[in-house]
Amino acid sequence: AQSVAQPEDQVNVAEGNPLTVKCTYSVSGNPYLFWYVQYPNRGLQFLLKYITGDNLVKGSYGFEAEFNKSQTSFHLKKPSALVSDSALYFCAVRQNRDDKIIFGKGTRLHILP
Amino acid sequence: DAGVTQSPTHLIKTRGQHVTLRCSPISGHKSVSWYQQVLGQGPQFIFQYYEKEERGRGNFPDRFSARQFPNYSSELNVNALLLGDSALYLCASIPTLQGSYGYTFGSGTRLTVV
Repeated sequence: AQSVAQPEDQVNVAEGNPLTVKCTYSVSGNPYLFWYVQYPNRGLQFLLKYITGDNLVKGSYGFEAEFNKSQTSFHLKKPSALVSDSALYFCAVRQNRDDKIIFGKGTRLHILP
Repeated sequence: DAGVTQSPTHLIKTRGQHVTLRCSPISGHKSVSWYQQVLGQGPQFIFQYYEKEERGRGNFPDRFSARQFPNYSSELNVNALLLGDSALYLCASIPTLQGSYGYTFGSGTRLTVV
């Protein structure tokens, strides 16, 4: 069965510093990987996805993610954090092209001014 | 273009009652999925529909049911509500199951069971 793990409940980063939010996954076969962001009392907003190709994927709001097949990881990164990046971030995986998306439990990102 | 729309935005129900939540996908999208997000947790998969047929079901009791209409809108029904059903219910749509699309989510329906 497919699964995704986000080992950190919360990540604190000073504004202007680089940030990383960690994600590891477990699927049989090639994964479809996603990152979503959720602001208070809102639905989820799509940030980026990895399907195939380059291991470094660029997405919305300056975010990028690095796919590492050997470590089964898909960490979210940003070179310079903004206070407005503070939100709840979810990593998600789909095992097959027509399968459901499974979400991790989320990581709360706090950017400190 | 309108995004995924859900109604109502907020709802308060009493234990034992029934509730119906509604979702309209993005125009042209034929697949709708429902998720339950309990406070402090990630979204949990409930149902996926495509072309009016159920294509997947998560680990939820039979009190939960759904359907998709010819215009691709969808309803989620929950019977005999429990306090533990209090959550944010999210609907998501994609154009088709054949592809590598990410879901587009609505803003959700906040259900409180008292």
